[in-house]
Amino acid sequence: GAGVSQSPSNKVTEKGKDVELRCDPISGHTALYWYRQSLGQGLEFLIYFQGNSAPDKSGLPSDRFSAERTGGSVSTLTIQRTQQEDSAVYLCASSLVVGQQYFGPGTRLTVT
Amino acid sequence: GNSVTQMEGPVTLSEEAFLTINCTYTATGYPSLFWYVQYPGEGLQLLLKATKADDKGSNKGFEATYRKETTSFHLEKGSVQVSDSAVYFCALSGPQGGSEKLVFGKGTKLTVNP
Repeated sequence: GAGVSQSPSNKVTEKGKDVELRCDPISGHTALYWYRQSLGQGLEFLIYFQGNSAPDKSGLPSDRFSAERTGGSVSTLTIQRTQQEDSAVYLCASSLVVGQQYFGPGTRLTVT
Repeated sequence: GNSVTQMEGPVTLSEEAFLTINCTYTATGYPSLFWYVQYPGEGLQLLLKATKADDKGSNKGFEATYRKETTSFHLEKGSVQVSDSAVYFCALSGPQGGSEKLVFGKGTKLTVNP
């Protein structure tokens, strides 16, 4: 079966532009997570969805970051007015069973 | 809040050597513990897990035992192979802030030479 997919795989953008990152979870997985992986900070949690609602947004670093999930499936992470410190690999994971998260390949974001 | 501390490395071993990567954690309650692996150019994969004290997780010759008394979950393998070269992440999850989000250590890069 298909795993978690993310698009684009790479994104280069200029400072100040907005970007949208997409995640397609494994079909039927109700939980969806976004994480960020950077050299300086390691792997950090950003936001958690259960269905279409986001009960835990505690990891979003600023109000420039937002995310939504529609139809209990696809999720989009939006970063407005990108800054160089936003450069990182953004990872999405989905889960049906507590404690078993399946990760996508990630989107490498470079802000120039 | 919850946190994970792991040996940062890098670690370089010869093939068939014994591997230990140390991991300790701080958490409220009873978290579940995990080791994830990231092979070069690939995504994160779950390697093994343990959900309660004294449980041993194992996979592909790797083992880790959930030690509540020492708050540790050290990863071991008796005889490493070149194909084990990867970055290994220790992680925990537990109900906090309304989610089962994973809290990761910084990762340990392992290189195995033939």
